[in-house]
Amino acid sequence: DIQMTQSPSLLSASVGDRVTLSCKASQNIYKYLNWYQQKLGEAPKLLIYYTNSLQTGIPSRFSGSGSGTDYTLTISSLQPEDVATYFCQQYNSWPLTFGSGTKLEIK
Amino acid sequence: EVQLVESGGGLVQPGRSLKLSCLASGFTFSNYGMNWIRQAPGKGLEWVASISSSSSYIYYADTVKGRFTISRDNAKNTLYLQMTSLRSEDTALYYCASQRMDAWGQGASVTVSS
Repeated sequence: DIQMTQSPSLLSASVGDRVTLSCKASQNIYKYLNWYQQKLGEAPKLLIYYTNSLQTGIPSRFSGSGSGTDYTLTISSLQPEDVATYFCQQYNSWPLTFGSGTKLEIK
Repeated sequence: EVQLVESGGGLVQPGRSLKLSCLASGFTFSNYGMNWIRQAPGKGLEWVASISSSSSYIYYADTVKGRFTISRDNAKNTLYLQMTSLRSEDTALYYCASQRMDAWGQGASVTVSS
């Protein structure tokens, strides 16, 4: 199974900051990576698919990058409504696996 | 508008069974694969099972293989998860999600406890 490791587990930043979240796969996943945002009490929402494709309706301040085993989600200017937990997920091979999440807070 | 609505959750004793349903609307259900993902209280996301559009391909997580069965009825636009031999560690919010994971239901709560 492919293990997905997210860091940091908790991130505190100020409104307007550029924020970078990391996701590392235990083997090459050939960019088959999704990013999700989950706000408290809500279902996850797909933000980014195939590493860097922005899902319809998602603000352009969200972007993704990476290749091989290392992937990044960037928020260019943090907004109060971005407080949430962010998960990465690989779909290169079965079983589908998720990272353990990064909880993003406002400082 | 795509909508996924889960039902069938509840409190069940260890070793018993429960069947979840997910009613889909707003898209051509029969054209797409579907997924079940669960989230234990305060924990992360765990993929449970996936099924292709025609049920030809089915995949399970090792943690549920042999105990859970994913199925679908395309005529009823409904996805199912039959859960047997339930354990306390199966306690979670169970989400159904579309093939690309771009649509999720609100979740069905399953609690396994005596």
